[in-house]
Amino acid sequence: ETGVTQTPRHLVMGMTNKKSLKCEQHLGHNAMYWYKQSAKKPLELMFVYNFKEQTENNSVPSRFSPECPNSSHLFLHLHTLQPEDSALYLCASSQAGDIQPQHFGDGTRLSIL
Amino acid sequence: GESVGLHLPTLSVQEGDNSIINCAYSNSASDYFIWYKQESGKGPQFIIDIRSNMDKRQGQRVTVLLNKTVKHLSLQIAATQPGDSAVYFCAEIYSSASKIIFGSGTRLSIRP
Repeated sequence: ETGVTQTPRHLVMGMTNKKSLKCEQHLGHNAMYWYKQSAKKPLELMFVYNFKEQTENNSVPSRFSPECPNSSHLFLHLHTLQPEDSALYLCASSQAGDIQPQHFGDGTRLSIL
Repeated sequence: GESVGLHLPTLSVQEGDNSIINCAYSNSASDYFIWYKQESGKGPQFIIDIRSNMDKRQGQRVTVLLNKTVKHLSLQIAATQPGDSAVYFCAEIYSSASKIIFGSGTRLSIRP
């Protein structure tokens, strides 16, 4: 039990589809993150939410749209993705406003056809 | 530019031996460092951390060493076991800027 749960674990979609990734944390944290992990590349931070407010967007294309309805839930809405968007998408959480290690979910493996 | 890198992309170690995984960082303002372990099909798992006011920290079978002079971080795993097989990567945090940078990772494999 990691405390951070991501669904679905695997997703295959066409470039014209719309899908959403879900993340839920049970750790009482108030900061949540989306990362992209591609093969042989470092983790790329996509979005940061602190207390439900987006505080960082690392130049992510608009075809990725995050949503954070509360401190425990985080979504990543996907629309018109490209083949290069195929990757492992990881969600993480931490306490905001302090030096803390982040706790990661097991990710969603996304494949774009 | 800023970067966090690992000297060896793969490391093969005999079971029972000690493993050493290295990491270089370039931002001298980074004040917090973390090692993560990522097993196949799973997300990164926190192993150990160290703040910049320390040069060594020990956990259970793991030790992290920080050399700020040469901006180098290492993870030592004692008596390596098959369950230690994973990708290990470091992260540097510049806390006042809320900035975190991850390394690419080193794959550790264990020979029986």
